[in-house]
Amino acid sequence: QKEVEQNSGPLSVPEGAIASLNCTYSDRGSQSFFWYRQYSGKSPELIMFIYSNGDKEDGRFTAQLNKASQYVSLLIRDSQPSDSATYLCAVNGDSNSGYALNFGKGTSLLVTP
Amino acid sequence: DTAVSQTPKYLVTQMGNDKSIKCEQNLGHDTMYWYKQDSKKFLKIMFSYNNKELIINETVPNRFSPKSPDKAHLNLHINSLELGDSAVYFCASSTPGLAGGRLSQYFGPGTRLLVL
Repeated sequence: QKEVEQNSGPLSVPEGAIASLNCTYSDRGSQSFFWYRQYSGKSPELIMFIYSNGDKEDGRFTAQLNKASQYVSLLIRDSQPSDSATYLCAVNGDSNSGYALNFGKGTSLLVTP
Repeated sequence: DTAVSQTPKYLVTQMGNDKSIKCEQNLGHDTMYWYKQDSKKFLKIMFSYNNKELIINETVPNRFSPKSPDKAHLNLHINSLELGDSAVYFCASSTPGLAGGRLSQYFGPGTRLLVL
């Protein structure tokens, strides 16, 4: 069973702080990693994807990947109340699954004014 | 212009009924998916489908069947609905990258199914 693990939270950070969201995965052969944001009652929205070890930055978001440790994280700088949502870590399955995404259970983030 | 759309948005029905959920994507993607999000918000794959191959998650009851009239549509048909089928069902689509597995999937708005 290929698993993706996330701390369910809630993670509470003050406005303007850095929010750090973490994810581990069990399949060492995984190659593609995604962060989705899901507001209550809405569909998952793709924020970032990362394929290579290291950091990838996009605006206030930075994804970090460490394949040796099977660890992927998302940093949100200058957190805003509008960032309050559930953040889903996802890992691509292989061709046997049609490259379906395996999701973690999500981390709930609350940014307080 | 909506990229991935689903209808209906809400579906309330009785146990034992048969229902369908429709999904359409205008992104030109060749692979579509159905995911189920349960009451604990856990999102899990049900089906992966392109015009050549259907892959079914082994945990999905055979009461569920995807039907694809063409590349842009993947509908979900559910027979003999049960209380435990109540969930949010998301359609998604993607296209293979150069390395095959490097896909970004885009999700529809979801269909909230309640079985009474």
